[in-house]
Amino acid sequence: AQKITQTQPGMFVQEKEAVTLDCTYDTSDPSYGLFWYKQPSSGEMIFLIYQGSYDQQNATEGRYSLNFQKARKSANLVISASQLGDSAMYFCAMREGWAGNTPLVFGKGTRLSVIA
Amino acid sequence: GAVVSQHPSRVICKSGTSVKIECRSLDFQATTMFWYRQFPKQSLMLMATSNEGSKATYEQGVEKDKFLINHASLTLSTLTVTSAHPEDSSFYICSARGSGRASSEQYFGPGTRLTVT
Repeated sequence: AQKITQTQPGMFVQEKEAVTLDCTYDTSDPSYGLFWYKQPSSGEMIFLIYQGSYDQQNATEGRYSLNFQKARKSANLVISASQLGDSAMYFCAMREGWAGNTPLVFGKGTRLSVIA
Repeated sequence: GAVVSQHPSRVICKSGTSVKIECRSLDFQATTMFWYRQFPKQSLMLMATSNEGSKATYEQGVEKDKFLINHASLTLSTLTVTSAHPEDSSFYICSARGSGRASSEQYFGPGTRLTVT
């Protein structure tokens, strides 16, 4: 079964508008972390935001915020005031447990295109 | 933030030859490093997990004799693609996890684009 599901292969947003990228996850481990990464055409993975399973508040980092709905097992990324430079692939990822050798598991990604 | 480097960034090799990719953590000690492969327009797929001083753990379907991983020090892990074939052409990305608090500390290298002709 997919551990991370991103149902939107592609999204379009008007510049300066907000956009939500969906992510649902599946785990039975009570301790986990959720991540969002941006991958521009250069290929580098840029860390955007992190949410721990025990965090009480939704994570925010500048224009990025994570809408964490634990009961629904969703961790949607909200980008406010979109910019042309936000056009890229966005990956949601999860790490189960706190062990040092636990890898990140990635969703299939969403390609965001920001339109002027 | 922490920096992870990869070398080379891009390599073209002939079928049947071997290619070594280096992954270095520049300003922290990486007890664990992960190697991912990404085919065009696809997601990152975990290939193996390497721990300093011990054998790597490979994911199902990844040939350990073909993709040799060595994690000889706390700052360096290498992936060697042996007897490369065109189907090995891909984007290889390493990720390093520090030895500190186990929260969001996982950093990615810039990736290596391998083309086998």
